[in-house]
Amino acid sequence: KAGVTQTPRYLIKTRGQQVTLSCSPISGHRSVSWYQQTPGQGLQFLFEYFSETQRNKGNFPGRFSGRQFSNSRSEMNVSTLELGDSALYLCASSLARQGTMNTEAFFGQGTRLTVV
Amino acid sequence: QQQVKQSPQSLIVQKGGISIINCAYENTAFDYFPWYQQFPGKGPALLIAIRPDVSEKKEGRFTISFNKSAKQFSLHIMDSQPGDSATYFCAASGAFGNEKLTFGTGTRLTIIP
Repeated sequence: KAGVTQTPRYLIKTRGQQVTLSCSPISGHRSVSWYQQTPGQGLQFLFEYFSETQRNKGNFPGRFSGRQFSNSRSEMNVSTLELGDSALYLCASSLARQGTMNTEAFFGQGTRLTVV
Repeated sequence: QQQVKQSPQSLIVQKGGISIINCAYENTAFDYFPWYQQFPGKGPALLIAIRPDVSEKKEGRFTISFNKSAKQFSLHIMDSQPGDSATYFCAASGAFGNEKLTFGTGTRLTIIP
């Protein structure tokens, strides 16, 4: 079974630009979550999508947005990039089925975004 | 109330020894507690997880101990090996529909020969 796939692996963008990151979950997984990892703030939850709907949202500004498609693939967009947005962006997928170990989340390798 | 506190920040253990990492939480709505292992340049990998109706779970050399009344849980790595050198994160999440993970700050574990 293929794992969570994130593309691209590395990105360099300029302040003010916008960026789109992609995540393909494990086959059959219905929930996709996004996390930001930085040395200073650690792993922070951005948002979670389930059946194409945003189900949970973290404390990030509106510049951070996402969506999920009918095949469960997800994209995350950051507009008007700031230097502080430089981070490893991680996507996690889970089965999200009630009554099981539904919250087992499996992470991709991440997209390393550098804003210059 | 969403915080998960993890200690120590870094840990050095001799090969063959026991590595112990501790976490504490405040939100009693949490009902799932996983541990993740992360190597440089990689995403976190799920190591082992526990629910609060169980006080201990063992998988190979890895054991989670869970104390519901104290709201604490810990990871024990028995017979620690150099390949275990990585950063370990504890996490907690809620029930179905509220599965966002709240992570601890991480423990950098180094196993020395």
